[in-house]
Amino acid sequence: GAGVSQSPSNKVTEKGKDVELRCDPISGHTALYWYRQSLGQGLEFLIYFQGNSAPDKSGLPSDRFSAERTGGSVSTLTIQRTQQEDSAVYLCASSLISGGVGEQYFGPGTRLTVT
Amino acid sequence: AQSVTQLGSHVSVSEGALVLLRCNYSSSVPPYLFWYVQYPNQGLQLLLKYTSAATLVKGINGFEAEFKKSETSFHLTKPSAHMSDAAEYFCAVSPRGTGGFKTIFGAGTRLFVKA
Repeated sequence: GAGVSQSPSNKVTEKGKDVELRCDPISGHTALYWYRQSLGQGLEFLIYFQGNSAPDKSGLPSDRFSAERTGGSVSTLTIQRTQQEDSAVYLCASSLISGGVGEQYFGPGTRLTVT
Repeated sequence: AQSVTQLGSHVSVSEGALVLLRCNYSSSVPPYLFWYVQYPNQGLQLLLKYTSAATLVKGINGFEAEFKKSETSFHLTKPSAHMSDAAEYFCAVSPRGTGGFKTIFGAGTRLFVKA
């Protein structure tokens, strides 16, 4: 079946502009996660969704970052007034909740470059 | 609080040599444990997982990992490295019963394979 998809695969934007990153999880997966991976670094947790709600937003770096999920499916990560330090690969993952042990299935990521 | 430590940000082996990537965790009760692999310009892919059945877990591409409670370790091994194994490897820990919401990833170990 289809895996996790993310769009766009690459995004180049000017400093100060807003960007939207999209994630389509695996059908039936109720949990969805966003991570940030800076060059040569590990995964930085941003936020997760259980259904459409986000119980844990503690990882969002600043109030310029927001995310939403609708219909228990597609999620959008929005970065307002982008800064150069926002340049990174943004990874989305999804997982089952009930009956699952929490292994996450990752999308290919969106590479964001802020010039 | 849970944590996971990967010893060595970079590991280099010769083709055909043993691969050993180290992972230690901290948890009050044995958690679920995972190894993921990330090939260049791709998302993470699950290699294997420990969920409390056999302590020696076999994964894809000839990799295996052994859960050692007394050492709080979950090291990843492969008897003979291939050039195609060159990638970044992440160890992750998830508390039981949380469905993966509290998964913590290690910083990653980049594996280089020399011809």
